[in-house]
Amino acid sequence: AQSVTQPDIHITVSEGASLELRCNYSYGATPYLFWYVQSPGQGLQLLLKYFSGDTLVQGIKGFEAEFKRSQSSFNLRKPSVHWSDAAEYFCAMNSGGSNYKLTFGKGTLLTVNP
Amino acid sequence: DAMVIQNPRYQVTQFGKPVTLSCSQTLNHNVMYWYQQKSSQAPKLLFHYYDKDFNNEADTPDNFQSRRPNTSFCFLDIRSPGLGDAAMYLCATSRDPEETQYFGPGTRLLVL
Repeated sequence: AQSVTQPDIHITVSEGASLELRCNYSYGATPYLFWYVQSPGQGLQLLLKYFSGDTLVQGIKGFEAEFKRSQSSFNLRKPSVHWSDAAEYFCAMNSGGSNYKLTFGKGTLLTVNP
Repeated sequence: DAMVIQNPRYQVTQFGKPVTLSCSQTLNHNVMYWYQQKSSQAPKLLFHYYDKDFNNEADTPDNFQSRRPNTSFCFLDIRSPGLGDAAMYLCATSRDPEETQYFGPGTRLLVL
């Protein structure tokens, strides 16, 4: 069965510091991978996605993620965090083809200290 | 801008009183999804429409129904809301099932 693991439930960083949020997946082939961000009381906004090709993908708001097949990982990074980045971050995957179902990780809550 | 719209953003209902949540999209996507998200949890898929074909998740309670009268609109009906149905309800769309899902802002449901 496919699954997504986000090992960190809660991360706190200082404004201006770098950020890395971890995501590992379990699937027998290369899945489609996504990072979404959710501010309190809001819907999910797509940050970036990986389907194939270049393993380093750029997203909105200065975020990037790197797909590493050997580690079954798709970690999200940002070189300098802003206070407005405080939110919940969800990693998700689907197996492509006719599969419709997004499998989500449990999310990582990011707190940004001034 | 093309987008996914949900109305209302906040809905208060009484225990057992039917309630309908609305979702519309201007993306002309073929697939529309409804998710339930409880506090501090990941979204949970309830069902989806691929064009007019309705697909229910196996563990979605019978209390939850959906209608899609046309491409642009999809409704979530909760026939007899219980206290446990209080949650954020998210609508999403995608052009095809394997493609990126785009989410609306959600409707926060409170059951009194």
